Amino acid sequence: KAGVTQTPRYLIKTRGQQVTLSCSPISGHRSVSWYQQTPGQGLQFLFEYFSETQRNKGNFPGRFSGRQFSNSRSEMNVSTLELGDSALYLCASSLDGGRDRAQYFGPGTRLLVL
Amino acid sequence: KQEVTQIPAALSVPEGENLVLNCSFTDSAIYNLQWFRQDPGKGLTSLLLIQSSQREQTSGRLNASLDKSSGRSTLYIAASQPGDSATYLCAVLIKAAGNKLTFGGGTRVLVKP
Repeated sequence: KAGVTQTPRYLIKTRGQQVTLSCSPISGHRSVSWYQQTPGQGLQFLFEYFSETQRNKGNFPGRFSGRQFSNSRSEMNVSTLELGDSALYLCASSLDGGRDRAQYFGPGTRLLVL
Repeated sequence: KQEVTQIPAALSVPEGENLVLNCSFTDSAIYNLQWFRQDPGKGLTSLLLIQSSQREQTSGRLNASLDKSSGRSTLYIAASQPGDSATYLCAVLIKAAGNKLTFGGGTRVLVKP
């Protein structure tokens, strides 16, 4: 079974631009969560989508948004990029009905904002 | 608010020594606890998951214990190898909070040949 995939793997943007990241979960998984990882703040939860609905949201500004499609693939969008948005963005998928609710992570998208 | 702490932040051991990594959490109302490994610039690899009703889980040289009442988990790696060098993260899943994981800051491990 294929793992969680994320595209693109690397991105370079300039301040003020917007960016869209994509995440394809493990087949059959309906929950997709997004995390931001920076050296200073560690791993922080952005939001979770389940069955095309946002179920949880972290403490990030409204510039960060996401959505989930009917095939469970998810996208996150960051508008008006700031230098501080430079980070590794990770998505995780979960069966969410399975007994253990294990989270499986993708390889991440590294975003550099100049 | 759930807080997860990992001490020490970094650890260096000679090859062959056993590794002991600690994780503590403030709210015992957890659904499970997962240990992950992260290599530099990479994603997270799940190592072990312990349900809240379990005391320990084992996989090969790895053993993780959970003491929910004291808010602690320990990851043991037996007979460490240079390939074990990585950052190890623990994360808890809180009941009735969807799939939001709360992570510790990680322990960076270096196993010297």
